[in-house]
Amino acid sequence: QKEVEQDPGPLSVPEGAIVSLNCTYSNSAFQYFMWYRQYSRKGPELLMYTYSSGNKEDGRFTAQVDKSSKYISLFIRDSQPSDSATYLCASLRSNQFYFGTGTSLTVIP
Amino acid sequence: DTAVSQTPKYLVTQMGNDKSIKCEQNLGHDTMYWYKQDSKKFLKIMFSYNNKELIINETVPNRFSPKSPDKAHLNLHINSLELGDSAVYFCASSQEDEKLFFGSGTQLSVL
Repeated sequence: QKEVEQDPGPLSVPEGAIVSLNCTYSNSAFQYFMWYRQYSRKGPELLMYTYSSGNKEDGRFTAQVDKSSKYISLFIRDSQPSDSATYLCASLRSNQFYFGTGTSLTVIP
Repeated sequence: DTAVSQTPKYLVTQMGNDKSIKCEQNLGHDTMYWYKQDSKKFLKIMFSYNNKELIINETVPNRFSPKSPDKAHLNLHINSLELGDSAVYFCASSQEDEKLFFGSGTQLSVL
């Protein structure tokens, strides 16, 4: 079992839809949680970073962490074609980053 | 002004050759990493260096040898390349093991 599990998709939504991306993790020792966005032929870029349970909002993006159920989510409101990318969740434990397999998202104009 | 830069962006080579990928970061970070991303987008840690000292060395064939001449540089040398080495290799850096910043990747194709 991988440390961080993520539904690989692909996910295809119409422009303006609300997108929900989800991950689960297995080890309660995970301390920090991140979402990365990776465009085709580019490196992953940090989108959201949080270390506590609850919600963190940044513009159209909201990261949600539920440590009791070991569940992390990313919500994208009013999705745009420019949001089309692969989204990777990640967690940090004992000086090591663990990544999900990524969810490919396409937003159709 | 690129924070983490790696070269080359594309590398096409024959089986059995030796090649190197270079990485430099100008963020002042103490820790640098090499990740391998397969065709299914899974990012797997290969090595991690902190202040030029190797701290993570995952199960990677010893044909792969990282070298860190200083804390701003971490190069990856690969001997006797095999078909299965074809992947995208990412360099990354972080400070105090927090936010990870990636380079743009090196697409390695072994023919």
